[in-house]
Amino acid sequence: EAGVTQFPSHSVIEKGQTVTLRCDPISGHDNLYWYRRVMGKEIKFLLHFVKESKQDESGMPNNRFLAERTGGTYSTLKVQPAELEDSGVYFCASSQDYPGLFTDTQYFGPGTRLTVL
Amino acid sequence: QKEVEQDPGPLSVPEGAIVSLNCTYSNSAFQYFMWYRQYSRKGPELLMYTYSSGNKEDGRFTAQVDKSSKYISLFIRDSQPSDSATYLCAMSAYGGSQGNLIFGKGTKLSVKP
Repeated sequence: EAGVTQFPSHSVIEKGQTVTLRCDPISGHDNLYWYRRVMGKEIKFLLHFVKESKQDESGMPNNRFLAERTGGTYSTLKVQPAELEDSGVYFCASSQDYPGLFTDTQYFGPGTRLTVL
Repeated sequence: QKEVEQDPGPLSVPEGAIVSLNCTYSNSAFQYFMWYRQYSRKGPELLMYTYSSGNKEDGRFTAQVDKSSKYISLFIRDSQPSDSATYLCAMSAYGGSQGNLIFGKGTKLSVKP
C-alpha cells in the first residue's frame, strides 16, 4: 500500500512568489492534516480536512495560506505571496476514522522543504 | 510556557544501552500521548501511543505516562544503531479523528556500534 506522498520534495522561491504544495493521502483516508516545522521549532498543526471539508483551520498562520482538498482526495497548500518566515518543512498526514478506537493513527508524508529567499 | 517541552539532545549512546527519552507538558487536558520516530529526510512514523496514565510495552520499547507529574517517557532497551533517529513526543486532548497533535521539538538519538 502506498504511503502519503508529497510533491515537490524541495522548493526554493523568491520572496513574493507563489508556491503550491501537494499532498496525496493514503487511499481511503478521510482525514488529511497539514503541519509545518520551522527551523529550530517544533512541528505545528496547520489544518485538518475531513473529506473535502475543513474541520479545523486554527493553525493557519494568516490569509496568505490557502488549503484545498478537491473531491476529498489530494490536497494542495498554496502560499501567496511567500515571505521569508514561511521557510520550513511542510508535512502532510492522513488517517482513517475507525469508530470506537481511542484515536486514529496519523501517517505522515516525507514533507516538502520550502526555502524562501 | 510551551505546551510540550522536550530536550533536543543530541543524545549519543553505545549499542546495547538503555535509552530514556522524556517530555513534560503543561496542558492537563492532554489524554493521548504518542511517540514518533523520524529518520533523516523522512516523515515522522508512529512508534507507540498511550491513553491516559500507565505503561505500554512493545518489544524493546516501553512508553510511560505519569499524568500527575505531566511527564511522559520512552525507554529503548538493547538499543541498536538502527534506532538512531529523532524521537518526537506528541499529545492530543481529543480522541478519534479530532486531534491536531502538539509536538515536542524532538530528541536526536545516535546509537554507536
